[in-house]
Amino acid sequence: DAGITQSPRHKVTETGTPVTLRCHQTENHRYMYWYRQDPGHGLRLIHYSYGVKDTDKGEVSDGYSVSRSKTEDFLLTLESATSSQTSVYFCAISESASGFHEQYFGPGTRLTVT
Amino acid sequence: AQSVSQHNHHVILSEAASLELGCNYSYGGTVNLFWYVQYPGQHLQLLLKYFSGDPLVKGIKGFEAEFIKSKFSFNLRKPSVQWSDTAEYFCAVTSNAGNMLTFGGGTRLMVKP
Repeated sequence: DAGITQSPRHKVTETGTPVTLRCHQTENHRYMYWYRQDPGHGLRLIHYSYGVKDTDKGEVSDGYSVSRSKTEDFLLTLESATSSQTSVYFCAISESASGFHEQYFGPGTRLTVT
Repeated sequence: AQSVSQHNHHVILSEAASLELGCNYSYGGTVNLFWYVQYPGQHLQLLLKYFSGDPLVKGIKGFEAEFIKSKFSFNLRKPSVQWSDTAEYFCAVTSNAGNMLTFGGGTRLMVKP
């Protein structure tokens, strides 16, 4: 398994509070991604990073921000959590942006916003 | 924009039955195709992938998939399922221009012992 950890693994928070999820990798891969998984929607890309301090938006980026100050860490922040952000969040990593490189996924974080 | 459809949302099979899960994509250019599996409580793992060449791709655990370009399809098959195949299966696609994965909605497979 690729060396990817996510923390916390489970979190319950109240509407309006800020939340930060962390993804940590030991593979030194350049590309990192945050997805959310919701029933019937598969996984949808929130944000991705192609290097330290280099990030871009994905399909469902509204309400989320990211930061990458080190190669190994990619943080996802919900500035003011809403109930619609209740989901399972997966981090993924990849060696390159080539379509020929697969992505490796972390164990996920289950977030509940009450 | 590319999109992926998995028309079977829930499939229930008995052990030893054959499996075929449908996946159709929409994208006009060259694509790379993937099937991922998520066992209960676990993260996504790659089952198999197609980039080019032989359209019949063999993956882990006895799974295979066939790329039919004319039908924009990449169906997953297994001749004889086991209880341990109970999981959710996701089809995904990227273009050669980049590896932004677009996922289908997933198919939840339950195999009864």
